[in-house]
Amino acid sequence: DVKVTQSSRYLVKRTGEKVFLECVQDMDHENMFWYRQDPGLGLRLIYFSYDVKMKEKGDIPEGYSVSREKKERFSLILESASTNQTSMYLCASIRDTENQPQHFGDGTRLSIL
Amino acid sequence: AQTVTQSQPEMSVQEAETVTLSCTYDTSESDYYLFWYKQPPSRQMILVIRQEAYKQQNATENRFSVNFQKAAKSFSLKISDSQLGDAAMYFCAYLEGSNYQLIWGAGTKLIIKP
Repeated sequence: DVKVTQSSRYLVKRTGEKVFLECVQDMDHENMFWYRQDPGLGLRLIYFSYDVKMKEKGDIPEGYSVSREKKERFSLILESASTNQTSMYLCASIRDTENQPQHFGDGTRLSIL
Repeated sequence: AQTVTQSQPEMSVQEAETVTLSCTYDTSESDYYLFWYKQPPSRQMILVIRQEAYKQQNATENRFSVNFQKAAKSFSLKISDSQLGDAAMYFCAYLEGSNYQLIWGAGTKLIIKP
């Protein structure tokens, strides 16, 4: 069974802090994704990565960056956290030879005070 | 641009009864996939059912089935014999055939009344 692990379930940070959200998958998947989930808006793609050191912007990349130094790990970085980045963050992964379905982590609920 | 619309923010159903969740989408593509995902309070997003656009037959997974109306661009989810464990947020999602980017609806919260 695919396992996608997000490092924190809950995280509280302060405005202006640099925040790292970590995601690790154990199935050697090439593609990894970071989504933001807000009530009434569904999931919105922030960034995705199709290979080590490769990244593509999603629909809402502003205020975020990502890092993929190893195939199994995809990090989301909030360079200078702001209160409007308070949200649920979901990580997902999928193998290159498939395009669906994506496998999700449990999510990180991030609060920026 | 493709869009996915779930017009029901919340639905409730009596345990053991049947409920239908609505989803419509907009696309000019002919090759695509449609999905229903479930997100229980535990938060992990779980795939419930998928439908390939080229297949006319509606997908079925145990108590879950879809009504796929390609011309109307409608993709509703029917849950039969509702159980307490079905309580969750349900998301409809669209994927183009050659793409990795899912387009998501806003979600429908399903409440099961005992």
